[in-house]
Amino acid sequence: QKEVEQNSGPLSVPEGAIASLNCTYSDRGSQSFFWYRQYSGKSPELIMSIYSNGDKEDGRFTAQLNKASQYVSLLIRDSQPSDSATYLCAVPRPSSGSARQLTFGSGTQLTVLP
Amino acid sequence: GAGVSQSPRYKVAKRGQDVALRCDPISGHVSLFWYQQALGQGPEFLTYFQNEAQLDKSGLPSDRFFAERPEGSVSTLKIQRTQQEDSAVYLCASSLGSGDEQYFGPGTRLTVT
Repeated sequence: QKEVEQNSGPLSVPEGAIASLNCTYSDRGSQSFFWYRQYSGKSPELIMSIYSNGDKEDGRFTAQLNKASQYVSLLIRDSQPSDSATYLCAVPRPSSGSARQLTFGSGTQLTVLP
Repeated sequence: GAGVSQSPRYKVAKRGQDVALRCDPISGHVSLFWYQQALGQGPEFLTYFQNEAQLDKSGLPSDRFFAERPEGSVSTLKIQRTQQEDSAVYLCASSLGSGDEQYFGPGTRLTVT
């Protein structure tokens, strides 16, 4: 089992819809979780971090964490064409301590159709 | 202020050549990370520095890969005797402290022919 798994997509949603991106992780001891956005040919950019069970909202983005199910998701409300990108879920490696050497999923490619 | 910079942005190497990839982190950032990203995959951790100390090199795929950060600022990732499977984008990230947000550079795309 891979340490971090994501549906590779591609995922297409119409403009204005909610895009739902999912991620599961294998290390039950993981305490922090990150969502990165990567535009084609560009570097990853951190958009959300979450540390506690439940929801965390930031503008149009909501991260949801369920540690019992080892599941973290990202919801994008009122999706815009500019949200079209690959979304990467990342979890610190078990051995990384406070330094957060990250393990990434393979990413979900999102396309928002105008 | 300036972000993380990497050079060269693109590198083509013949199989067997040595290459050196440079990373300039954000000024004052203590932590520096190298990742390798194959096409269609997420980045994979290679190595981590805190100042000049290489604290974790468990992700380096072979002894052909070597990284250094001698003065705690600029870092160089060196790949000896490149192989085709080394073709990837090499990303450098830095963070202010060990647990802070990582800022990624634009990457170096290495193609080994």
